[in-house]
Amino acid sequence: AQKVTQAQTEISVVEKEDVTLDCVYETRDTTYYLFWYKQPPSGELVFLIRRNSFDEQNEISGRYSWNFQKSTSSFNFTITASQVVDSAVYFCALSEVNSGYSTLTFGKGTMLLVSP
Amino acid sequence: GAGVSQSPSNKVTEKGKDVELRCDPISGHTALYWYRQSLGQGLEFLIYFQGNSAPDKSGLPSDRFSAERTGGSVSTLTIQRTQQEDSAVYLCASSGRQGARGETQYFGPGTRLLVL
Repeated sequence: AQKVTQAQTEISVVEKEDVTLDCVYETRDTTYYLFWYKQPPSGELVFLIRRNSFDEQNEISGRYSWNFQKSTSSFNFTITASQVVDSAVYFCALSEVNSGYSTLTFGKGTMLLVSP
Repeated sequence: GAGVSQSPSNKVTEKGKDVELRCDPISGHTALYWYRQSLGQGLEFLIYFQGNSAPDKSGLPSDRFSAERTGGSVSTLTIQRTQQEDSAVYLCASSGRQGARGETQYFGPGTRLLVL
């Protein structure tokens, strides 16, 4: 069975600090996709990034960066110079295929609290 | 609208009553998903629609739960004889192609259901 583990339940930082959110996954598929979503207090899940298993190149988008390492089955997310608006719950998810369609298996989420 | 919309945003009901939750996907998206988010269980997949058909209903927690989709667009999730353990946030997502592996799912704001 596929599984996503986000070991950090809650992280608190002060504004401008860098913070890394960990994600470890388990799958027997050779082709798979990983995602990060942000859930602000409003409740809507906001898509951040998608990564396929064949592309291990790290990605940077503004203050956000992602480190994908197949060797350790990890897909970690770093926020540089955190801001109060980054406060949210962040979910890592794995795309699995059942009979030709795709569902998402989510981790339990990491709540990030950025204080001014 | 530009995104996935859900209604109502909040629903309070009494135990034993039936409720209907509505999802309006992004225009043109063929795949539609329902998930449930609760404190104890995290984010769980409930059901997937391709067009108007649901190939897999195994995620529905009991036979009190049913869902339909009409016109390849709007979907309704119905919970009959609600129980207190049904209290959760019900999230709907849609994606462009036929639920293909790795397709990004875009989520609505959710319906917060409270069963008293």
